[in-house]
Amino acid sequence: AQTVTQSQPEMSVQEAETVTLSCTYDTSESDYYLFWYKQPPSRQMILVIRQEAYKQQNATENRFSVNFQKAAKSFSLKISDSQLGDAAMYFCAYRSANSGGYQKVTFGTGTKLQVIP
Amino acid sequence: NAGVTQTPKFRILKIGQSMTLQCTQDMNHNYMYWYRQDPGMGLKLIYYSVGAGITDKGEVPNGYNVSRSTTEDFPLRLELAAPSQTSVYFCASSYRDPVAYFGPGTRLTVL
Repeated sequence: AQTVTQSQPEMSVQEAETVTLSCTYDTSESDYYLFWYKQPPSRQMILVIRQEAYKQQNATENRFSVNFQKAAKSFSLKISDSQLGDAAMYFCAYRSANSGGYQKVTFGTGTKLQVIP
Repeated sequence: NAGVTQTPKFRILKIGQSMTLQCTQDMNHNYMYWYRQDPGMGLKLIYYSVGAGITDKGEVPNGYNVSRSTTEDFPLRLELAAPSQTSVYFCASSYRDPVAYFGPGTRLTVL
């Protein structure tokens, strides 16, 4: 079974600075997807960024980028130029890419990010 | 598109009461899911559906039931509410793309 581990329950960053959130996962599969979701106080789950395991290039979305290390099974999220609106709980998630049928999404336990003005 | 909508946003139940959490999506997604999120924890899958008329259990299905009579709707039923069911409930949907779109959640308290 796949597992997703987020070892940092809480992190803080100064506004305009850069912060990196860690995520490791365990799987025996070779093809899969990885995601970072943001959950602000409104509780709405919002997709931040996604990475396909077959792609070597790290995904980027504006101020958000990932460092995907497939061999090490590591998937960290870097937030550049942190803004007050980035304060939220961040969840790392894994999903198999096997075709056909339902594929379970496994979530980590989350990292609460505080942005200090 | 409204995306995934959930009602109600908040609810307080007494032990033993029943209720239905509503979930509707307007994106014509075939996959729909119900998750619960307990404090300090990640999301746990309760039930999922791969299309109208097809549902299956997830990781924590005990105490819940679902139905999927249409593509759009996927209600979650709690028959005999227990304090252990106090949680935030999220409905989500997806199509071929693996990204799941989430609803805003329902905060349920059972006293």
